[in-house]
Amino acid sequence: DTGVSQDPRHKITKRGQNVTFRCDPISEHNRLYWYRQTLGQGPEFLTYFQNEAQLEKSRLLSDRFSAERPKGSFSTLEIQRTEQGDSAMYLCASSLGTGSQPQHFGDGTRLSIL
Amino acid sequence: QKEVEQNSGPLSVPEGAIASLNCTYSDRGSQSFFWYRQYSGKSPELIMSIYSNGDKEDGRFTAQLNKASQYVSLLIRDSQPSDSATYLCAVDLNTGFQKLVFGTGTRLLVSP
Repeated sequence: DTGVSQDPRHKITKRGQNVTFRCDPISEHNRLYWYRQTLGQGPEFLTYFQNEAQLEKSRLLSDRFSAERPKGSFSTLEIQRTEQGDSAMYLCASSLGTGSQPQHFGDGTRLSIL
Repeated sequence: QKEVEQNSGPLSVPEGAIASLNCTYSDRGSQSFFWYRQYSGKSPELIMSIYSNGDKEDGRFTAQLNKASQYVSLLIRDSQPSDSATYLCAVDLNTGFQKLVFGTGTRLLVSP
């Protein structure tokens, strides 16, 4: 049973560049979540997918951010025109779509904006 | 008022002692509660989930829930240095899709 996989683990880029992260959830999990975590804070919810449908987006998710989950499998999170404030750990989590099953997190992608 | 509040710590306990971590939440409609452990530079790891008032035990860990008082706690018995980490309390806002709100976490230090 493989866990949630995220790629890349680290991303360093210059301000203004676009970046894309990938998340592969646990295979039988149909719910997928993206969170952002900065130093000293808990994870903050960004967006949620039920299968391939993006059903909820946080106000934190500006129009520079876009997420997809084609075919209800892996998901991508893209940030366009990155800014210094985008530096954070981006976490993906997945869960079964029944009741209130716990979410399981991937190792995250640490983004650093130069 | 923050939706989920935790004392940031650090909470220092000697090896073998009981560590008690507390969390309060503001949304009375919340039904599901989770404790995650996060080592420095790593991602959150699920430790416990609790849905009903009372205690839930799993090994050295006990989660306690009191919905009337809107608090959740985590007890770690026989604390080990390897338990030193940040413990995150997460509350499901009962939106229907398990939107979790996390506290800022309590840093636990277990000294040998």
